[in-house]
Amino acid sequence: TQLLEQSPQFLSIQEGENLTVYCNSSSVFSSLQWYRQEPGEGPVLLVTVVTGGEVKKLKRLTFQFGDARKDSSLHITAAQPGDTGLYLCAGYNAGNNRKLIWGLGTSLAVNP
Amino acid sequence: EAQVTQNPRYLITVTGKKLTVTCSQNMNHEYMSWYRQDPGLGLRQIYYSMNVEVTDKGDVPEGYKVSRKEKRNFPLILESPSPNQTSLYFCASSFLQGEAFFGQGTRLTVV
Repeated sequence: TQLLEQSPQFLSIQEGENLTVYCNSSSVFSSLQWYRQEPGEGPVLLVTVVTGGEVKKLKRLTFQFGDARKDSSLHITAAQPGDTGLYLCAGYNAGNNRKLIWGLGTSLAVNP
Repeated sequence: EAQVTQNPRYLITVTGKKLTVTCSQNMNHEYMSWYRQDPGLGLRQIYYSMNVEVTDKGDVPEGYKVSRKEKRNFPLILESPSPNQTSLYFCASSFLQGEAFFGQGTRLTVV
């Protein structure tokens, strides 16, 4: 059972476009993390959100944690080719804080 | 520099030949884990360790062994590798409920 559903699975856009990636669950998470992974490399943390309704910004990336702490979104403004990669959400389930639950990821390609 | 070091980066082996993938972290993290990543299946946890001498099965432990004799090291052992263990493997470490730091990955091919 995949506790974290990410959508879309694949996304191919032109440079300059905006996009949103979603991470949804029916379970409550004590925190959610977003990672970016480049081909052949390990994921690297972008941000952690902890409080329901929290919004964090990282340059052109905006992360939001749902009020009920069951979902999160990542919005990229004016995407650039350097944003290309696999975006993964992961979270610590409120019922089991020992294990990081992973989504399957959104593969983003930004074309020049 | 804070890092997780995995070795080797690439490995081609034959069915049944025992192998070990090493993992070492220098951040004094209690929690270490091994994942495999396969297309369409995402990151799946193989084994994890909460501290020295404490290990537990993840979601896909069959065919793998681990040990945690020291806090910094968490090797992954394949006693008798099979072709279905061909995958990209990652070691990760963290403080409990913290950011996961990943190694560079080991691409394993079993023929």
